[in-house]
Amino acid sequence: AQTVTQSQPEMSVQEAETVTLSCTYDTSENNYYLFWYKQPPSRQMILVIRQEAYKQQNATENRFSVNFQKAAKSFSLKISDSQLGDTAMYFCAFPGAGNMLTFGGGTRLMVKP
Amino acid sequence: EAQVTQNPRYLITVTGKKLTVTCSQNMNHEYMSWYRQDPGLGLRQIYYSMNVEVTDKGDVPEGYKVSRKEKRNFPLILESPSPNQTSLYFCASSTWGTDQPQHFGDGTRLSIL
Repeated sequence: AQTVTQSQPEMSVQEAETVTLSCTYDTSENNYYLFWYKQPPSRQMILVIRQEAYKQQNATENRFSVNFQKAAKSFSLKISDSQLGDTAMYFCAFPGAGNMLTFGGGTRLMVKP
Repeated sequence: EAQVTQNPRYLITVTGKKLTVTCSQNMNHEYMSWYRQDPGLGLRQIYYSMNVEVTDKGDVPEGYKVSRKEKRNFPLILESPSPNQTSLYFCASSTWGTDQPQHFGDGTRLSIL
């Protein structure tokens, strides 16, 4: 069975600084996708970024980028120039059989002014 | 506007009183699923459906039922709710394929007393 682990239940960062959220996973698959979702206080689930495992280049979406280490099964999210609106829960997710997403336990990020 | 609509957003009810949470999507997606979110556990899948009249269990199906009579609708039924089903519930939809991000509804907060 697939597992996804987020080892940082809570983190904080000063506005305009950079923060990295960790995620590790376990799978026997060779080609797969990984996702980061953001859940602000409004509780919506918003896709932040997607990484394809066979692509060596790390995905980037504006201030959000990933550090994907396939051999280590690590998929961390870097947020640059943090903004107050980045305050949210962040979930790492791995899709498996039946399109089922396996989620990590989440990291609560607080951006401080 | 492309969206997944859940109703109700909040519900407080009592043990044993049957309830239904509705979910509808307007994107013609084949795949729909239900998740529950509990602190520290992330989101866990309850049931999913790959198309009309095709449903299957996720990781935590006990105490829940679903049906998929129409492509756009995927209601979640709690025949005899119990307090351990108090949770935040999300419906999601996507086109088929593990590379496809899932679109989430706004969530339903259920409290079973």
